[in-house]
Amino acid sequence: QVQLQQWGAGLLKPSETLSLTCAVYGGSFSGYYWSWIRQPPGKGLEWIGEINHSGSTNYNPSLKSRVTISVDTSKNQFSLKLSSVTAADTAVYYCARGHRYYDSSGYSEYFQHWGQGTLVTVSS
Amino acid sequence: SYELTQPLSVSVALGQTARITCGGNNIGSKNVHWYQQKPGQAPVLVIYRDSNRPSGIPERFSGSNSGNTATLTISRAQAGDEADYYCQVWDSSTARVVFGGGTKLTVL
Repeated sequence: QVQLQQWGAGLLKPSETLSLTCAVYGGSFSGYYWSWIRQPPGKGLEWIGEINHSGSTNYNPSLKSRVTISVDTSKNQFSLKLSSVTAADTAVYYCARGHRYYDSSGYSEYFQHWGQGTLVTVSS
Repeated sequence: SYELTQPLSVSVALGQTARITCGGNNIGSKNVHWYQQKPGQAPVLVIYRDSNRPSGIPERFSGSNSGNTATLTISRAQAGDEADYYCQVWDSSTARVVFGGGTKLTVL
């Protein structure tokens, strides 16, 4: 059974760096993409970015300049850093396992396993 | 960049059929995935690759995708189906995941 467990600081001041880590238990770590997704209070889901076991990353262009996602395959963990946070970055942050595949429609990816979510509040 | 459009809300009578749409330019050429999210919980995958149900998801949930619209259909709607539903695709042109804005399903 695959489980994702995440942790990190829940209260930040403007301009600080958000830092979260997600540990993966069960299943294979390689062969998947590992994503961070966030949800501002009362709003929809926003994909932040992803990494695979070899360190290849894709980022949401709207956040790319502030985001770094890294991986530690020895611990089956991956991490998110988001710099220069503002109140607009207040959200529940989720880690998720991305199942990437290729078929006649091209590449696609879906998320069957999610972390429990971490509320990160940015306030002075 | 690729955008997905969902209605803000959909209402359905108890026991009837709910249909939640997800619009996108030629979305029928992509694979669409659907998530259910209840308050305070992480999203749950209910449909993947347009019409496939993960293990544990009731047969009442089904999906279709053609042209510019993908549809999540919930038959015999139950009170427990009340939730927010999100569609999602992979945009190959920008190598990124795209979510729809979400639809709040109310069961009357």
